Amino acid sequence: AQSVAQPEDQVNVAEGNPLTVKCTYSVSGNPYLFWYVQYPNRGLQFLLKYITGDNLVKGSYGFEAEFNKSQTSFHLKKPSALVSDSALYFCAVRDQRHSSYKLIFGSGTRLLVRP
Amino acid sequence: DTGVSQDPRHKITKRGQNVTFRCDPISEHNRLYWYRQTLGQGPEFLTYFQNEAQLEKSRLLSDRFSAERPKGSFSTLEIQRTEQGDSAMYLCASSSGQGYHNEQFFGPGTRLTVL
Repeated sequence: AQSVAQPEDQVNVAEGNPLTVKCTYSVSGNPYLFWYVQYPNRGLQFLLKYITGDNLVKGSYGFEAEFNKSQTSFHLKKPSALVSDSALYFCAVRDQRHSSYKLIFGSGTRLLVRP
Repeated sequence: DTGVSQDPRHKITKRGQNVTFRCDPISEHNRLYWYRQTLGQGPEFLTYFQNEAQLEKSRLLSDRFSAERPKGSFSTLEIQRTEQGDSAMYLCASSSGQGYHNEQFFGPGTRLTVL
């Protein structure tokens, strides 16, 4: 069965410091991996995705993510956090072997960037 | 605004009543998805349409739930005989293209409260 784990409910970081939000996944085949961000009272916004190729994926707002097949991880990173990055972040996976378009989401990680 | 729109944004109803939600996807997108999100959790897949055909349904979609996309454009999600456990945020998303890796674009959601 497909699954996603986000082991940290909350990540706290000071503005200007690097941030990492962790995600691990489980699929039977190769994964398509996605990161979304959710601001209060708003829908999920797409940040970036991994399909194949380069393990380092760059996305919106200066975010990037590193795919690690051996560790089945897809951690979200940013070199210098902004207060405005404070939001709820979701990792999602789709198994390339399955003929389904549904995304399997993690439970989310709240990022709090303090000034 | 050319994004995914949902109506209403909030719905409060009494247990046992029927409710219907509407989703308007991005105009050129042929795929439409419904997800449900409860507090502290990531979105959970409910159902998916390609054009007007409903191609996949989750086991979460009990017989009290029905979704339609009659002309391959907007979609409705109806919940009959609502229960308190139906209280959640209902999210709609759409995507385009032929690949399984295309990102889904989400609407702002409809928050349902069942009293």
